[in-house]
Amino acid sequence: GENVEQHPSTLSVQEGDSAVIKCTYSDSASNYFPWYKQELGKRPQLIIDIRSNVGEKKDQRIAVTLNKTAKHFSLHITETQPEDSAVYFCAATSSGGSYIPTFGRGTSLIVHP
Amino acid sequence: KAGVTQTPRYLIKTRGQQVTLSCSPISGHRSVSWYQQTPGQGLQFLFEYFSETQRNKGNFPGRFSGRQFSNSRSEMNVSTLELGDSALYLCASYTGDSTYNEQFFGPGTRLTVL
Repeated sequence: GENVEQHPSTLSVQEGDSAVIKCTYSDSASNYFPWYKQELGKRPQLIIDIRSNVGEKKDQRIAVTLNKTAKHFSLHITETQPEDSAVYFCAATSSGGSYIPTFGRGTSLIVHP
Repeated sequence: KAGVTQTPRYLIKTRGQQVTLSCSPISGHRSVSWYQQTPGQGLQFLFEYFSETQRNKGNFPGRFSGRQFSNSRSEMNVSTLELGDSALYLCASYTGDSTYNEQFFGPGTRLTVL
């Protein structure tokens, strides 16, 4: 089955800095890569996603890049703000049958004011 | 649209007891997945139901079971509770008909086993 590795597990930055979270996946049939944000005490919510036919996608201060050859994808947050502090999960969904995303273990992002 | 709801929000049980958690999906969604969330372990997949049938199952012991009703509401049951079952249990609702489905999570049920 699919295996998703996510790094780092904790990321601490100063407000205004950029943050990058990296994930790798194992199943070459994976074709959908969503990112979820979970604020403390809240439910995970989708913040951005990318399909395998696209190399990069941006939405204001966040962007996701995908390298299918290397089987890795990354989340980039620019001009970080304290409200960006949360746990971020990457996921990969394979076109090979199951519609279930396989999640990474999460990255705790802390943005210091 | 009303969001995904889960009941109860908090539960305290003792070892050996059993527990039933409930999840009401977004109207029109036919799939419900269940996840166990513990610190450092991320979101571990328990099982998925689609149109009242279990479609996928994760690597959890048989003490964990679930079902889905004709209105797409789902329940999960944990029997013979162990201390290690203490976790946040999240359900996610989605249409279930595509790889590109966004998962809409419920607020979770916090289970504490004493």
